Amino acid sequence: EVQLVESGGGLVKPGGSLRLSCAASGFSFSAYSMDWVRQAPGKGLEWVSSISSSSSYIYYADSVKGRFTISRDNAKNSLFLQMNSLRVEDTAVYYCARDRRAYSYGVTDAFDIWGQGTMVTVSS
Amino acid sequence: DIQMTQSPSSLSASVGDRVTIACRASQGINYYLAWYQQKPGKVPKLLIYAASTLQSGVPSRFSGSGSGTDFTLTISSLQPEDVATYYCQEYNSASFTFGQGTRLEIK
Repeated sequence: EVQLVESGGGLVKPGGSLRLSCAASGFSFSAYSMDWVRQAPGKGLEWVSSISSSSSYIYYADSVKGRFTISRDNAKNSLFLQMNSLRVEDTAVYYCARDRRAYSYGVTDAFDIWGQGTMVTVSS
Repeated sequence: DIQMTQSPSSLSASVGDRVTIACRASQGINYYLAWYQQKPGKVPKLLIYAASTLQSGVPSRFSGSGSGTDFTLTISSLQPEDVATYYCQEYNSASFTFGQGTRLEIK
């Protein structure tokens, strides 16, 4: 079964840090670009960051650029999001998602597989 | 950055109705447009990619059309299980902007 499982969410104070992980299974992880998408409580979807299969292409939303770092470990089928200098407005459910096509080499695509999400709450 | 605007923001329709949701991009995005369905409390699900290609397993009552800046999602005969919020998303640029969502309810 194709599956993405996020972990690492929790409560953190403004200015703090958190590292999210996404464990992939059931598909050839190293062949796919991967993404993080977030959803604040009661709000819509917001794309956060994307990384190509070999980490050659990395993109960030302006709202997180300079504070968040996306990375991956293809040997461990894992995706990460290091979040620093967290703000109250970063409070959201963070989803890990897979690009639809394998071997896209940085060419963007829709997101066909989503994890269940992990909640990040930034509050004093 | 590209802006994606959906209309309407919410709508209520009867079972069996034909429902159309519009999505407009602030600049041309070719056909790099996806539609997602998010049921209450659930994870988003890809319905359509490349503006009009149905994702595997999605019922044929869903269809998409458009290119450039104007796109539509159509449900040909609304079913009770279609209650959800629908989002469009552009992937022409590395900003992957989502529309604000359209909340669909049964009348």
